[in-house]
Amino acid sequence: KAGVTQTPRYLIKTRGQQVTLSCSPISGHRSVSWYQQTPGQGLQFLFEYFSETQRNKGNFPGRFSGRQFSNSRSEMNVSTLELGDSALYLCASSLGQGYQETQYFGPGTRLLVL
Amino acid sequence: GEDVEQSLFLSVREGDSSVINCTYTDSSSTYLYWYKQEPGAGLQLLTYIFSNMDMKQDQRLTVLLNKKDKHLSLRIADTQTGDSAIYFCAESTDSGNTPLVFGKGTRLSVIA
Repeated sequence: KAGVTQTPRYLIKTRGQQVTLSCSPISGHRSVSWYQQTPGQGLQFLFEYFSETQRNKGNFPGRFSGRQFSNSRSEMNVSTLELGDSALYLCASSLGQGYQETQYFGPGTRLLVL
Repeated sequence: GEDVEQSLFLSVREGDSSVINCTYTDSSSTYLYWYKQEPGAGLQLLTYIFSNMDMKQDQRLTVLLNKKDKHLSLRIADTQTGDSAIYFCAESTDSGNTPLVFGKGTRLSVIA
């Protein structure tokens, strides 16, 4: 099976712009979670989608949003970018059935905000 | 709230065993994981253990769980230079439905 894929792998934006990142989960996985990784804060949970619905949300401002499509692919959007949004954004997929599951991560999208 | 703590650095000689430690605060943690991150890469799931287990062995990896002390360890036998990476401990109370809470990661350096 192919693993979790994320596009693009690298992105450079300027403050005030918006960005959309994409994640394709492992075939058959219906849950997609997004995490932000920074040197200072480590790995922090953004949100999780299951069957096109947001099931969990972390403590991030409303500038961070996401969605999931019927084929389980997910996108996350960050509007009005700030310098502090520079990070590695990781997506993880799982079956989503909630019992003895594991999350599998993609390679991440590295976002640099100038 | 939930918190996961790890030491930041560990240095070992090639061929020795590495032991990476982790403590967590949430007594309802049900699932505990170890992930590996190599430079420029995402997270690779190494192994996991459920709270009803004390130990799990998988080839060179041994995970020990002390629920009383909320302490988790990962032992890597016969450590190789390819094991150099950052190792993250993570916990979840209900895998698949709740987010993972990660430690800050332990950077393992293997000296040849």
